[in-house]
Amino acid sequence: EVQLLESGGTLVQPGGSLTLSCAASGFTFTSYAMNWVRQAPGKGLEWVSGISGFGDTTYYPDSLKGRFTVSRDNSRNTLNLHMNSLRAEDTAVYFCAASVTGTRGRLDYWGQGTPVTVSS
Amino acid sequence: QSALTQPASVSASRGQSITISCTGTSSDVGYANFVFWYQQHPGKAPRLLIYDVNNRPSGISSRFSGSKSGNTASLSISGLQAEDEAVYYCSSHTISRTLVFGGGTKVTVL
Repeated sequence: EVQLLESGGTLVQPGGSLTLSCAASGFTFTSYAMNWVRQAPGKGLEWVSGISGFGDTTYYPDSLKGRFTVSRDNSRNTLNLHMNSLRAEDTAVYFCAASVTGTRGRLDYWGQGTPVTVSS
Repeated sequence: QSALTQPASVSASRGQSITISCTGTSSDVGYANFVFWYQQHPGKAPRLLIYDVNNRPSGISSRFSGSKSGNTASLSISGLQAEDEAVYYCSSHTISRTLVFGGGTKVTVL
């Protein structure tokens, strides 16, 4: 059974940093690109980042380039998202999602999300 | 990259059919057939309903179907059931190798 379990979400002050993790199991991790998608309270989905199966290529929307960094540890089947200079508008539930390599953004599997609150 | 445009809400009676539109540009919806639809119930993670415009993953009811014309994709749901009440999001891969979502459409089953 495929499982994605996010962790690391918490309350953080504006300007602070935070790293989220996603532990994957039940599938061949390197065969999947991995993504982060967030959802602000009462709002829609927003794609945050993507990383190829072997971690050699990363993708970000222009709005987040430079503040967020995605990485993966294939030896531990773990995906990470390091977030810097956090702002109130980064408050959201952050989901990790798996995409079969080559499927151009098809998000087959999702975790249940971890909440991040940016507030003083 | 602007979000794809979806109607905020659609409602219909049980048993009826609805169609949700998703309008983008020639840089996303219109550039290739990498259009996806997701269903999200309150407090839950999204679930993939349709991939590559009109394909259903295993386990998804045939009542859900997708199509595309130019820069606009559509999701149709036939024979509406109570459990179809949810928010539906379209998504597209873009020419810049990013992903973009629509704002979501809340479906109410009367």
